[in-house]
Amino acid sequence: GQQLNQSPQSMFIQEGEDVSMNCTSSSIFNTWLWYKQDPGEGPVLLIALYKAGELTSNGRLTAQFGITRKDSFLNISASIPSDVGIYFCAGQEGGTSYGKLTFGQGTILTVHP
Amino acid sequence: GAVVSQHPSRVICKSGTSVKIECRSLDFQATTMFWYRQFPKKSLMLMATSNEGSKATYEQGVEKDKFLINHASLTLSTLTVTSAHPEDSSFYICSASAPGGGNQPQHFGDGTRLSIL
Repeated sequence: GQQLNQSPQSMFIQEGEDVSMNCTSSSIFNTWLWYKQDPGEGPVLLIALYKAGELTSNGRLTAQFGITRKDSFLNISASIPSDVGIYFCAGQEGGTSYGKLTFGQGTILTVHP
Repeated sequence: GAVVSQHPSRVICKSGTSVKIECRSLDFQATTMFWYRQFPKKSLMLMATSNEGSKATYEQGVEKDKFLINHASLTLSTLTVTSAHPEDSSFYICSASAPGGGNQPQHFGDGTRLSIL
């Protein structure tokens, strides 16, 4: 099946620093999604990307859908302690609402005050 | 935004017990819902796709008789872990997509922590 390679696996940063993480795939996805998961909770959608080359921001978060449709990155600017958590990229197949998601391995983010 | 509710949030029970987990879409109708399993500090693994009014589609390696899925209405899907054993202990999460044109992203419930003693 399809696989997503997400990196880095973990990051330890100081509050105020910028963060960047990315995902690559061996095949094409129609939609890229970025989620954040806090311990003991379900993933929460951060940003959804629908078009190749699309660059979208949500507050301090910026994500881009790669031109080849096989990669995406997420940047977090001026990190704060509440940014701590696990970040997942996910690729969605097909053009319908019901496409299955393939998840990356996750990036564990730790922010030191 | 779309809200997905999952219940219960935590279950602790004896080996051999069957456990039912509910997933509800609160403010939209979901023809399709998804069930995932997640191990500590690992990614989400899709178990099955739940289709309203028809049989669920299971991923390779997932036992249909072990993980029974019922999607009887457009707002409710249930996952029953039958005769649960300690190896079934895990975090189970459901998701649903809001209807509408284009690619609607999946929204997730808060998960159910299942612990089998």
